[in-house]
Amino acid sequence: GAGVSQSPRYKVAKRGQDVALRCDPISGHVSLFWYQQALGQGPEFLTYFQNEAQLDKSGLPSDRFFAERPEGSVSTLKIQRTQQEDSAVYLCASSPGTATYNEQFFGPGTRLTVL
Amino acid sequence: LAKTTQPISMDSYEGQEVNITCSHNNIATNDYITWYQQFPSQGPRFIIQGYKTKVTNEVASLFIPADRKSSTLSLPRVSLSDTAVYYCLVGDMYQTGANNLFFGTGTRLTVIP
Repeated sequence: GAGVSQSPRYKVAKRGQDVALRCDPISGHVSLFWYQQALGQGPEFLTYFQNEAQLDKSGLPSDRFFAERPEGSVSTLKIQRTQQEDSAVYLCASSPGTATYNEQFFGPGTRLTVL
Repeated sequence: LAKTTQPISMDSYEGQEVNITCSHNNIATNDYITWYQQFPSQGPRFIIQGYKTKVTNEVASLFIPADRKSSTLSLPRVSLSDTAVYYCLVGDMYQTGANNLFFGTGTRLTVIP
């Protein structure tokens, strides 16, 4: 079946622009995670949704980062006034249950480059 | 606070068994051990998860000693397509946050023909 999809796959933004990154999780998956992966590093946790509720946003690096999942399916990660240090791959993952440590299914990521 | 330590890189010849060990001295009672594999330009892929003793699936085995302070991912007869970064995670089943879902830098495995 269809896996997790993310769009766009690549995004180039000028410093100061706002960007929106979309995640389509596997249908029916309750849990949704966002991660940031810098070059040569492992993914770093940003935020977690259980259905439409954002239960953990402790990893969001600043108030310029905002995530939502209004209907409990598609999620959007928005970054306002992008900075060069925001350049990274943004990964979305979903999981069928509420146990957050179960298998997560990752999308291919969106590579954001801020010039 | 990093919860896991694993080698930065490993090389292996095709057809050999590869063992990647992860240290997690401060593992808590409720923590599980999970391994992910990541190829370039792709998201991580779940390999295996365990709590204690040995777990085996169609792609790997996970060995966990009684004190659970380390774990070893075993890949039998690796092929060139197993070249990837392997991450060891240790965390609570119902917690999130950066400390609980900590990937670290992983182990870069290179399989040599």
